[in-house]
Amino acid sequence: EVQLLESGGGWVQPGGSLRLSCTASQFTFSSYAMNWVRQAPGKGLEWVSSISDNGDNTYYADSVKGRFTISRDNSKNTLYLQMNSLRADDTAVYFCAKDWGTRGWYSGFDLWGQGTLVTVSS
Amino acid sequence: EIVLTQSPATLSLSPGERATLSCRASQSVSSYLVWYQQKPGQAPRLLIYDASNRATGIPARFSGSGSGTDFTLTISSLEPEDFAIYYCQQRGNWPPLTFGGGTKVEIK
Repeated sequence: EVQLLESGGGWVQPGGSLRLSCTASQFTFSSYAMNWVRQAPGKGLEWVSSISDNGDNTYYADSVKGRFTISRDNSKNTLYLQMNSLRADDTAVYFCAKDWGTRGWYSGFDLWGQGTLVTVSS
Repeated sequence: EIVLTQSPATLSLSPGERATLSCRASQSVSSYLVWYQQKPGQAPRLLIYDASNRATGIPARFSGSGSGTDFTLTISSLEPEDFAIYYCQQRGNWPPLTFGGGTKVEIK
């Protein structure tokens, strides 16, 4: 089955760090740009970061720039999000998502993981 | 940053009725706009990409239109499973990629 599976969420104190992983199955992971999107409890969707198919290009929302790092290992079909200096307003469900087309940037995301909850609280 | 404004915030309709959802961009995004459906506890599902193209497996009752700054998602005849929150999202001028605030389609 074509799918994305996130892991690594949990509870962390303010100022702490977490690394999220997203493992892809049953599609050519290395051909697609990948993304992280988050959703705070009861709120809407917020784009966090994107990475090109080969990992050469990365982009971040201003709210996470300098604190979060997106990366990928195409040999392991895995996307990562390293989150440092976490704040209470980073509390959210984090989804990984795949661009709908190959070898470039496309308008939206056609495959999403189930999400992993990150809670930042003292 | 391009701001996407969705209206109405809530749409109260009965099964079988037509739903018309609006998404307005603060500046042109060409046709690089998509629509998602999200149900409670689930990830979003892509419905429409590039403003007017149905994603794989999406029923024909869903249609999208528009370009530039004004976009519409139409559900021609609501089925019980269509009651959900709908988000628009643009990648015409990014970063940042931005989402609208959502429209909740609820049962009247």
